[in-house]
Amino acid sequence: EVQLVESGGGLVQPGGSLRLSCAASGFTFSDHYIDWVRQAPGKGLDWVGRSKNERNQYITEYAASVRGRFTISRDFSRSSLDLQMTNLKTEDTAVYYCAVWFGGRQVDWGQGTLVTVSS
Amino acid sequence: DIVLTQSPGTLSLSPGERATLSCRASQSVPNNYLVWYQQKPGQTPRLLVYGAFSRATGIPDRFSGSGSGTDFTLTISRLEPEDFAVYYCQQYGSAPLTFGGGTKVEIK
Repeated sequence: EVQLVESGGGLVQPGGSLRLSCAASGFTFSDHYIDWVRQAPGKGLDWVGRSKNERNQYITEYAASVRGRFTISRDFSRSSLDLQMTNLKTEDTAVYYCAVWFGGRQVDWGQGTLVTVSS
Repeated sequence: DIVLTQSPGTLSLSPGERATLSCRASQSVPNNYLVWYQQKPGQTPRLLVYGAFSRATGIPDRFSGSGSGTDFTLTISRLEPEDFAVYYCQQYGSAPLTFGGGTKVEIK
C-alpha cells in the first residue's frame, strides 16, 4: 500500500526557514516523480515543485513563486522527499502535500502538513 | 507557463442532473497531459481522469473526460449526492505544472 506521510510543518516568522519531509513507503522510491503541492486556507491547489525519478536524474523543477527560496531533495536513507523552505513569506501559508505519480495513470497524495508564516 | 481557466466557478445543480465543467488552457497542453481531481472538504484530492479522457482506477463511469489541445471538459452524467465537491484540472505536460482555479459543484 502506498503511503506518504508529511511532517515538519509549524509556525514560523516571515523571513524564516522550515524543512518539510515526506516519508514514502509501499513503492520503489527511485522509480517515480514526486511533487510538492500546497493549498492556502480556503483556496485552490498550487503546484510547488517536483523531483523527477532516477531515470531522469532526479531533476528538480519549481514554480516561479518559490524558485530560489525552496529546494527539493531526496534522502534515500529515509525514503523521504524533503522541502527546504527559506525566506518564507506570509503568502507561503498553506497545507503542504506531497504526491507521487505512477506513470501518469495514478497519483497518490499524503495527508499534508500545515505551514503558517506569521509574526 | 500554461494558465488553466476553469468555468464556471460554481455550478448549482440537483442530484440526477448532468454537470459539465470546463478547463481552458492558455496554450496547447502537450500530449493532452491533463488530469481532473475531485476534492471534498477536509480531504485530499482524488484523481478522476488522466490523459484528458482516461478514467482512473475505481472511478465510476458517470465521470468522463474529453477534449484536447486547449479545451477540456469533465462531465458527470448523473450527479450522485457524493459528487458535490470542488473539481480541479491540472496540466502535467509542461513545467511548471499548473492547476485551474477549481469549480465548485453545489446542491441547488
